[in-house]
Amino acid sequence: ETGVTQTPRHLVMGMTNKKSLKCEQHLGHNAMYWYKQSAKKPLELMFVYNFKEQTENNSVPSRFSPECPNSSHLFLHLHTLQPEDSALYLCASSQDSSGVISYNEQFFGPGTRLTVL
Amino acid sequence: LAKTTQPISMDSYEGQEVNITCSHNNIATNDYITWYQQFPSQGPRFIIQGYKTKVTNEVASLFIPADRKSSTLSLPRVSLSDTAVYYCLVGEHSGGGADGLTFGKGTHLIIQP
Repeated sequence: ETGVTQTPRHLVMGMTNKKSLKCEQHLGHNAMYWYKQSAKKPLELMFVYNFKEQTENNSVPSRFSPECPNSSHLFLHLHTLQPEDSALYLCASSQDSSGVISYNEQFFGPGTRLTVL
Repeated sequence: LAKTTQPISMDSYEGQEVNITCSHNNIATNDYITWYQQFPSQGPRFIIQGYKTKVTNEVASLFIPADRKSSTLSLPRVSLSDTAVYYCLVGEHSGGGADGLTFGKGTHLIIQP
């Protein structure tokens, strides 16, 4: 138990569906991240939120839409996904002391295994 | 951007000490070195972080030579449960961009009985 929870743990959706992934951290951190991990590929950083502001968007397609309503919650809204978007989606949080991205220890959630049919 | 190079895979046996080396020839002055461990279908878990010389915690040691162009993660007396992928990351402790949050392919460590 890392203090970061993700729901759902598994999700199967069609290409025309709209769904959302939820992440919640109980650690009092102020930075949250979304990563994508495809089979046999490295983790890819998708989005970074620092103090609820999006500070990084690593050229992620617009069919992925993040939302960070407060420093404890992070959502990833999904719509019109493609089969190649099937992957493990990981959320992480860290305590950043300077207001910019830092390398302070990141705590990861268990991930959401997404399958797009 | 300091890029890292690690062996793709390593094998060892229970009870042995395992050393995984990471090369980072372009490491910058402000960069720290961080190692994570990941089990299948789980998120990575922080192991250790260092800047220079040696850092030790309850699970591992990190050795960093004076030129900082490489680092070695040392796992003492490994067990079967240490079978995982180990990632080396290099980047600024603060003030850096998201470029440094790159996990790479990691080293797949397999421990045998």
